[in-house]
Amino acid sequence: DTAVSQTPKYLVTQMGNDKSIKCEQNLGHDTMYWYKQDSKKFLKIMFSYNNKELIINETVPNRFSPKSPDKAHLNLHINSLELGDSAVYFCASSRGGAGGPISYNEQFFGPGTRLTVL
Amino acid sequence: GNSVTQMEGPVTLSEEAFLTINCTYTATGYPSLFWYVQYPGEGLQLLLKATKADDKGSNKGFEATYRKETTSFHLEKGSVQVSDSAVYFCALSARNTGTASKLTFGTGTRLQVTL
Repeated sequence: DTAVSQTPKYLVTQMGNDKSIKCEQNLGHDTMYWYKQDSKKFLKIMFSYNNKELIINETVPNRFSPKSPDKAHLNLHINSLELGDSAVYFCASSRGGAGGPISYNEQFFGPGTRLTVL
Repeated sequence: GNSVTQMEGPVTLSEEAFLTINCTYTATGYPSLFWYVQYPGEGLQLLLKATKADDKGSNKGFEATYRKETTSFHLEKGSVQVSDSAVYFCALSARNTGTASKLTFGTGTRLQVTL
């Protein structure tokens, strides 16, 4: 009964390849997020979707393209992978976004996908 | 913009020692404040939270009080265990009208507890 799941857990690939990471949540949440954690453990938000609509898009290269087929899924596709893309990518979900009760902001995280670009 | 500043780690303590990890923040409006914990090889778990000034969040023996006057949310535990060894992240979520909720994290503080 995993709440937020990601696949794959580990991904090793060559520079220049295209890869996808998948995320699914079974919490009935409306909002999903992608975060990147670098080698120094620093976490930064990349994207957020609310009911399949993009609502946060931080300064991320356009090689990164999120896709939300439904509100329970948020996938991350990365084109032309570079060495600097190596990181751990975390998916998260929350009940709502802005404007709702504060409890709606609480985010639940997946286990992470460790991406290594060679 | 919003930001969170945490004390530099690593923090190394003996079992049963008292723990304090400092966290201060800068934000517009009235943010919610969180502590997340990341155990080795795992994702982030919410440890505790506080949503308004003077609220105290607590869980598993950890506590943190939302201090608006000092813009701080320091994490404390009276007696740490080896199993508390992890990276601890302070974070805020600002409720700005018209924008989505997003977490702004501190840089994380690694805690190592030894016997």
